[in-house]
Amino acid sequence: AQKITQTQPGMFVQEKEAVTLDCTYDTSDPSYGLFWYKQPSSGEMIFLIYQGSYDQQNATEGRYSLNFQKARKSANLVISASQLGDSAMYFCAMREGVRYAGNMLTFGGGTRLMVKP
Amino acid sequence: EPEVTQTPSHQVTQMGQEVILRCVPISNHLYFYWYRQILGQKVEFLVSFYNNEISEKSEIFDDQFSVERPDGSNFTLKIRSTKLEDSAMYFCASIRGTVGAFFGQGTRLTVV
Repeated sequence: AQKITQTQPGMFVQEKEAVTLDCTYDTSDPSYGLFWYKQPSSGEMIFLIYQGSYDQQNATEGRYSLNFQKARKSANLVISASQLGDSAMYFCAMREGVRYAGNMLTFGGGTRLMVKP
Repeated sequence: EPEVTQTPSHQVTQMGQEVILRCVPISNHLYFYWYRQILGQKVEFLVSFYNNEISEKSEIFDDQFSVERPDGSNFTLKIRSTKLEDSAMYFCASIRGTVGAFFGQGTRLTVV
């Protein structure tokens, strides 16, 4: 079974509007962390935001926020006020057993976001 | 802001040759990783490294691959006898605590 599922292979959003990128996960470990990365066309992986399974509040970082719904096992990324530079591939990832920092990240298949002027 | 640095950014090699991909992790980080991304596909874990030894590896990381930390700063991935299917973007990542893994800009390996 897939541990991380991103059901939207591609999305369009109008500049200055908000967009939500979906991510669902599957784990039986009570301790896990969820991550979002941005991969522009240049190829690098840019860390955006992190949510721990025990965190009481949804994570926010500037225009990025994470809509964490633990019971539904979803961790959707919300980008507010989209900019042209937000056009990129976005990956959701999970680390299980988050107290052990050495555990690997498992990635979803990604969502390609295209921002229209 | 400290960052993970990878060299080269792009390497073209002939099938059967050996390549070494280099990474300089963030200096106070303790765990190091190699991931690979075949064009258009998801990012796949290869290996994690802690305290100068491999802590975890995937089934992709077979005898063709090896990792080393030859000195206090560099972290290398060696691929012996490269195959066409080794063509991919290879990412190095490092982490200190439990939050976030910081990735380098990647090395695009093309095997011809």
